[in-house]
Amino acid sequence: EVQLVESGGALVQPGGSLRLSCAASGFIFSGSGMSWVRQASGKGLQWVSTYSVRDAKALYADSVKGRFTISRDTSRNTLYLQMDSLRVDDTAIYYCLKGGWGTIFDYWGQGALVSVSS
Amino acid sequence: QAVVTQEPSLTVSLGGTVTLTCGSSTGTVTNDHYPYWFQQKPGQAPTTLIYNASNKHPWTPARFSGSLLGGKSVLTLSGAQPDDEAEYYCLLFYNSGFAIFGGGTKLTVL
Repeated sequence: EVQLVESGGALVQPGGSLRLSCAASGFIFSGSGMSWVRQASGKGLQWVSTYSVRDAKALYADSVKGRFTISRDTSRNTLYLQMDSLRVDDTAIYYCLKGGWGTIFDYWGQGALVSVSS
Repeated sequence: QAVVTQEPSLTVSLGGTVTLTCGSSTGTVTNDHYPYWFQQKPGQAPTTLIYNASNKHPWTPARFSGSLLGGKSVLTLSGAQPDDEAEYYCLLFYNSGFAIFGGGTKLTVL
């Protein structure tokens, strides 16, 4: 059974940093692209970032490029999202998602809440 | 950057058929956009219904189908059930290395 469990969500001040984790199980993590998608309260879904195994490349939405970094630890089957220079408009539920360029999107995590406020 | 458009809201009668569309400001939606459709119910994480325009996951109810029609990606629901009342999002991939969600369609089943 595929499971994706996010952690690390918190309240952080503008300009601060936070690292989200997504613990994966039930599939071959090293062979799968992985993504982050976020959703502000009452709003739609927004693609944030993907780690593509097709070409070992990290891809980012323009709104987070240069501030967020996606990475993975295949020994721990864990995906990360390092978020720096956080802004109020980064406030959202962040979902971990199995899939990306070259890998079909299928399973979602339950989400982690990130709140950026002073 | 591209804009992906969906109907903001649609209503379907119980047992009826409804079509949701997904268009791109850059032009015709094709298989090269690898269109996806997701369903999200209030308070829940989304689930993936359709990938690559017309392919279903094992958990996708048979009453849902996807296609490309009239330059758009289309999600068709045939035989709507109360459980289908939800928000539906499409996602398109672009060669430049980014993906964009549509704004979502709120589907009401009456």
